Amino acid sequence: DAGITQSPRHKVTETGTPVTLRCHQTENHRYMYWYRQDPGHGLRLIHYSYGVKDTDKGEVSDGYSVSRSKTEDFLLTLESATSSQTSVYFCAISTTSLLFFGPGTRLTVL
Amino acid sequence: DQQVKQNSPSLSVQEGRISILNCDYTNSMFDYFLWYKKYPAEGPTFLISISSIKDKNEDGRFTVFLNKSAKHLSLHIVPSQPGDSAVYFCAASVVNQAGTALIFGKGTTLSVSS
Repeated sequence: DAGITQSPRHKVTETGTPVTLRCHQTENHRYMYWYRQDPGHGLRLIHYSYGVKDTDKGEVSDGYSVSRSKTEDFLLTLESATSSQTSVYFCAISTTSLLFFGPGTRLTVL
Repeated sequence: DQQVKQNSPSLSVQEGRISILNCDYTNSMFDYFLWYKKYPAEGPTFLISISSIKDKNEDGRFTVFLNKSAKHLSLHIVPSQPGDSAVYFCAASVVNQAGTALIFGKGTTLSVSS
């Protein structure tokens, strides 16, 4: 257990509304990541952070923003949710060459 | 273009038999490869890995083989058990500003029947 929690675990929202997902870690890891998992696409990197206030884009960053004001928290925001953002979102931290994933947030955009 | 490919979306195997999951990659700069296992409603968990300087790594019932010239790796599970039924993701590692950036394949769903 890498001490990663995600909230909420499930969310249903409507198109056009803002949504923020939270990832919290307890072990002071520098690197944090947001991935999304979709059938037929596997796990794709959205954004990552390499320190407080240091973030960068991943493979599928359009429509998402992130913030990291504290080492332990990494927030993913959908400014105006779309149906294509219906997915399962995983936060991860890295240690050496491994990623450890949180339990995921299932987001449905109607 | 996909850098890590798992061309078999699903695999069905009987309990006690061998499961072989395959993965191909295109980037010769990858130096570390991993397999993750994912059960429904849970996050992916690390299963086994292999460095590019090796051609085999074994951990109990799980063995990963790497063929660098073919840019191919495979995961062998022997003997397969019903509890092995899950989605298996192959991943390749690149170390850059993102720390350990993992690039994942699309996954293979393994079903082991008793």
